[in-house]
Amino acid sequence: NAGVTQTPKFRILKIGQSMTLQCTQDMNHNYMYWYRQDPGMGLKLIYYSVGAGITDKGEVPNGYNVSRSTTEDFPLRLELAAPSQTSVYFCASSYVAVAGGPSYEQYFGPGTRLTVT
Amino acid sequence: QKEVEQDPGPLSVPEGAIVSLNCTYSNSAFQYFMWYRQYSRKGPELLMYTYSSGNKEDGRFTAQVDKSSKYISLFIRDSQPSDSATYLCAMSARNQAGTALIFGKGTTLSVSS
Repeated sequence: NAGVTQTPKFRILKIGQSMTLQCTQDMNHNYMYWYRQDPGMGLKLIYYSVGAGITDKGEVPNGYNVSRSTTEDFPLRLELAAPSQTSVYFCASSYVAVAGGPSYEQYFGPGTRLTVT
Repeated sequence: QKEVEQDPGPLSVPEGAIVSLNCTYSNSAFQYFMWYRQYSRKGPELLMYTYSSGNKEDGRFTAQVDKSSKYISLFIRDSQPSDSATYLCAMSARNQAGTALIFGKGTTLSVSS
């Protein structure tokens, strides 16, 4: 298993440009998440999904959009890039716990380092 | 007051030292407590998970939760250079995806040989 894969690894965008960060998991996990991590800060949840076709906002969703058409893929879209979106973006997934709901073991991808100038 | 407070360090110790990493929190509804380890330029990985109060031990690692004080700790015994990483505490109020995990800022640990 490759686990959670993210592309690209690095990207530099100009203000106002758009891009899609790709995330794929091959573990058949129901739950998927997008986080951003700013230097010296913890992870902030942007969006999450509980299954194909179902997404919802996290703590910091402004400026981002997501879709989940398959179990495996959960792309994150930036429509009008702003310098405040310079960050490291992590995609994660988790399986259904025995008691129902998501397991607390989230599996993270290697991250995408995005700079907006 | 932030929901989860964690001293970012950095913390530098010699090999073999006992390391104590801590987080405090303000939300008394938190019941699930985790420690994630993040190596440089990698994604976090789950290290320890504890439900409610008490201790949990796994090899050289011990996680403690004191809900009365809203304080959690991770102890590393006989620390190794391979333990050099950033340690993030995380917690959640209930087992639902919508509540997700609230992360601390992380403590950067360096263990020198």
